[in-house]
Amino acid sequence: DIQVTQSPSTVSVSVGDRVTITCRASQSVRSYLAWYQQKPGKGPKLLIHTASLLHTGVPSRFSGSGSGTEFTLTISSLQPDDLATYHCQQYGLYSTFGGGTKVEI
Amino acid sequence: EVQLLESGGGLVQPGGSLRLSCVGSGFTFRNHAMNWVRQVPGKGLEWVSAISGSGDKTYYADSVKGRFTISRDNSENTLDLQMHGLRVEDTAIYFCVQSDCPSTDCRKFDWWGQGTQLIVSS
Repeated sequence: DIQVTQSPSTVSVSVGDRVTITCRASQSVRSYLAWYQQKPGKGPKLLIHTASLLHTGVPSRFSGSGSGTEFTLTISSLQPDDLATYHCQQYGLYSTFGGGTKVEI
Repeated sequence: EVQLLESGGGLVQPGGSLRLSCVGSGFTFRNHAMNWVRQVPGKGLEWVSAISGSGDKTYYADSVKGRFTISRDNSENTLDLQMHGLRVEDTAIYFCVQSDCPSTDCRKFDWWGQGTQLIVSS
């Protein structure tokens, strides 16, 4: 199985900050990497797929990069609505998720 | 607007059975593989099972193989997960999840329901 490790597990931020979250896969997943946003009591929402492609309706302050085993999610200027937990998922071989990163004030 | 609405969660004793259901709307149901993904509250996500758009192919995580059965009714736009031999470690929120194409090879999860909670406890 491909293991996926996210870091950090929690990040404390201020509105307007640039936020970067990292995801590492135990073997290459090429560009088959997605990022999801989850708010309390809700199901996750797809933000980015194929490592860097924004899903429909996702604000442009979100961006993704990377390939192979190392990937990053960047929020260029954090907005209050962005306080949530972010999950990465590799779907290059079956599907596995990282442990999540909570973005908090 | 895509909507996925799960139901059927509850409290079950170890060894018991339960059936989860999901109704989809706002999209052509048969054109999408469907999945169940679970989450222990406060923890990460775990893919559980997938079924192709036509229903002819199914896949399961090793942790549930032989105990859970996924099925769908494309005439009713419903997805089910029949669970037997439930264990304490099956306790989680279960999400109904739409894949982006009919094949179970499509594991980009475009839309998620709000989830239904299963608690396995004596």
